[in-house]
Amino acid sequence: GAGVSQSPRYKVAKRGQDVALRCDPISGHVSLFWYQQALGQGPEFLTYFQNEAQLDKSGLPSDRFFAERPEGSVSTLKIQRTQQEDSAVYLCASSADRGLRTEAFFGQGTRLTVV
Amino acid sequence: TQLLEQSPQFLSIQEGENLTVYCNSSSVFSSLQWYRQEPGEGPVLLVTVVTGGEVKKLKRLTFQFGDARKDSSLHITAAQPGDTGLYLCAGADDNQGGKLIFGQGTELSVKP
Repeated sequence: GAGVSQSPRYKVAKRGQDVALRCDPISGHVSLFWYQQALGQGPEFLTYFQNEAQLDKSGLPSDRFFAERPEGSVSTLKIQRTQQEDSAVYLCASSADRGLRTEAFFGQGTRLTVV
Repeated sequence: TQLLEQSPQFLSIQEGENLTVYCNSSSVFSSLQWYRQEPGEGPVLLVTVVTGGEVKKLKRLTFQFGDARKDSSLHITAAQPGDTGLYLCAGADDNQGGKLIFGQGTELSVKP
């Protein structure tokens, strides 16, 4: 596709509900990142994939958060038993290779509101 | 833990004024990136600085990377209403893959 696509754009979940957020990276991009952005803050790193391998999940805030990228393209971020503090915008980014100087392209994000 | 402190958090100025946003850390970064984010959108990369002391210009925007690669600044000359948005700095460490550490952001409002 032309850019990184995330769905849904908006999600309202009742506390305790499980949610799944989808990211379609730019075709052929090797690296994929998930970030969490609270209102009025900068994004915070959650996890990183290189192809299908999850190389860094140090930013996942709890074991309720799980991410996968089984075929090295589309990725899903799953949050189990959502809590109010999970309310945030979840951003996905992809880049062409592992190189740090390679630009990462961000999607529009999924705004999750837990009520 | 690597942290980036960005200041100011909020800036409201009149069209035509100049401004500077600062990004400081006690950690050394391999490179530093500046992004602009509009409401409801993801961040869009403006520039990457890699070498200590490096200065890059993008039209009315001037970016500088500190000699020690711990801090950076963004200077906008003759700001315009179209510059309004959230400006984010982000540091990258060669030892941590492509992971970015973001500052808190500077919310800029330029009034006509």
